[in-house]
Amino acid sequence: SQTIHQWPATLVQPVGSPLSLECTVEGTSNPNLYWYRQAAGRGLQLLFYSVGIGQISSEVPQNLSASRPQDRQFILSSKKLLLSDSGFYLCAWRVADERYGYTFGSGTRLTVV
Amino acid sequence: GENVEQHPSTLSVQEGDSAVIKCTYSDSASNYFPWYKQELGKRPQLIIDIRSNVGEKKDQRIAVTLNKTAKHFSLHITETQPEDSAVYFCAASKRGSSYKLIFGSGTRLLVRP
Repeated sequence: SQTIHQWPATLVQPVGSPLSLECTVEGTSNPNLYWYRQAAGRGLQLLFYSVGIGQISSEVPQNLSASRPQDRQFILSSKKLLLSDSGFYLCAWRVADERYGYTFGSGTRLTVV
Repeated sequence: GENVEQHPSTLSVQEGDSAVIKCTYSDSASNYFPWYKQELGKRPQLIIDIRSNVGEKKDQRIAVTLNKTAKHFSLHITETQPEDSAVYFCAASKRGSSYKLIFGSGTRLLVRP
């Protein structure tokens, strides 16, 4: 069966520090991968998505970047965090078929101080 | 691009009553409509979905209806229980366009014992 791993679960980082969040999927190949951010009490904002190795699409201009160095690995990064980067970051995967939904990772709660 | 609107933003019902959450979408090419439940601090979990070739789908106390002509779909929860209290998100997607899901803004459901 397919599983998705996301880490770390929580993170407290100072303003200006770098960030690296990792997501991996097991049990499937060539998944579509997505990074979402959820501000406290708010909805799900799509940040990046990837349909293959090295293929990254950005939905919202911001202080973040994403990479997909391997088929089942998706990384969210920042060189210098801002206070506004705080939030709940969720990775998700989906087969390339519109008949099926996402499976979300357990999320990373990031607090920038 | 696709836009999904969700109403109401908050909903409070007495235990045992029914709850209805409504969503409208803008892209007539959308053909997949999932609903997610997110408990406090947790990842969104898929609870039910419907595809555009179906008008209604039921799973125990949960049902979803789709009106393609009007471009809206609804979640119905009958005999609500306190454990139904959560934030519910609707979403829409279509073939291609990376199969990304566009989410509504969420509905916070509170079931009063």
